[in-house]
Amino acid sequence: DAKTTQPPSMDCAEGRAANLPCNHSTISGNEYVYWYRQIHSQGPQYIIHGLKNNETNEMASLIITEDRKSSTLILPHATLRDTAVYYCIVETSYDKVIFGPGTSLSVIP
Amino acid sequence: EPEVTQTPSHQVTQMGQEVILRCVPISNHLYFYWYRQILGQKVEFLVSFYNNEISEKSEIFDDQFSVERPDGSNFTLKIRSTKLEDSAMYFCASIVDGNTEAFFGQGTRLTVV
Repeated sequence: DAKTTQPPSMDCAEGRAANLPCNHSTISGNEYVYWYRQIHSQGPQYIIHGLKNNETNEMASLIITEDRKSSTLILPHATLRDTAVYYCIVETSYDKVIFGPGTSLSVIP
Repeated sequence: EPEVTQTPSHQVTQMGQEVILRCVPISNHLYFYWYRQILGQKVEFLVSFYNNEISEKSEIFDDQFSVERPDGSNFTLKIRSTKLEDSAMYFCASIVDGNTEAFFGQGTRLTVV
């Protein structure tokens, strides 16, 4: 089962940064932190992942605390199209990705 | 951009009938997965497949389910005798290697009547 804790829902004003937290206090040294999102009933979409360093790509930034027990996904300028369920997942094995309930982000005009 | 393709997008079937859901993973990917999502619920892992065999499966994936990679490009999920509770979105995914991102298809909505 999922080894992460996320708030069930969040709101963000359009154009502002959306900061989505995730707790993974039992993460082990070789586990990566992955973020995916699911817009309505579409297939989940990969956003970003990291091991211990902060990461940035064209979609988002991932900030991982030094002790690796929590992380934050940052969408720098949220748009209405970013309204989705965001999943924080920790994994080592490529045998499966286990989804929790995630955070339902609503971007408000 | 490469993508995972699933067909059909929507399938309606009578209870007790067999259905085959089809997926074309990204061509150089080596690991393949099926997930399902019952309406309003979370995405659930069904099965993973590597090197032409199942590498892991969940308790949902019982004897009514099977997977196959018949021709090196398609990856199929068969449900032998569908039940009403099999109604869900079914997602296929693939990854090229460990510790890389999974690419998901857009899903097949299965409705059992």
